[in-house]
Amino acid sequence: QQQVRQSPQSLTVWEGETAILNCSYENSAFDYFPWYQQFPGEGPALLISILSVSDKKEDGRFTIFFNKREKKLSLHIADSQPGDSATYFCAARRAGNTGKLIFGLGTTLQVQP
Amino acid sequence: GGIITQTPKFLIGQEGQKLTLKCQQNFNHDTMYWYRQDSGKGLRLIYYSITENDLQKGDLSEGYDASREKKSSFSLTVTSAQKNEMAVFLCASSIAGANTEVFFGKGTRLTVV
Repeated sequence: QQQVRQSPQSLTVWEGETAILNCSYENSAFDYFPWYQQFPGEGPALLISILSVSDKKEDGRFTIFFNKREKKLSLHIADSQPGDSATYFCAARRAGNTGKLIFGLGTTLQVQP
Repeated sequence: GGIITQTPKFLIGQEGQKLTLKCQQNFNHDTMYWYRQDSGKGLRLIYYSITENDLQKGDLSEGYDASREKKSSFSLTVTSAQKNEMAVFLCASSIAGANTEVFFGKGTRLTVV
């Protein structure tokens, strides 16, 4: 059973648009939610993260919106650029559970120039 | 900054063979991990280690052994390669504690013939 779900599986947007990537989870004990960006042939790299005590986290063009009651979060990529084309993984960790990140299956984003 | 080095980058093995993947990190991180990435299946935790000589099983440990010989290195052994063992194995590390960033290597791509 997938504990962290992502949608859509793939997404295509035009350069300059806002891409919205969705994530939901099952376990209410999860309290830390990082998003990782992965380019082909590379390992995932941390893009932005949020703790469950917050409902929004911004870092430049990247914003996480978090709804604890509905167990949903989303990553918004504003002014999308072709260089943002990559696979994005939502992950989750239980409070106090050192290291054990649970990953979703990923969303592959393509930004068309 | 630091780096995680995985060797080899590509590994071709025969069905039934015992295969070893190696990982070195120079972050001086306490915790190290092995994840398996299959196409369309996200990342799944095989083993992790919170300190030298410590080993903890992840969700996918059956068919694998691991060894944390020293703080900077963590190796993974596929005990008997199977035809469906075609995946990317990702090594990662982090400092101890919750909500800390996990850094990934570039992966070892395993093909079993």
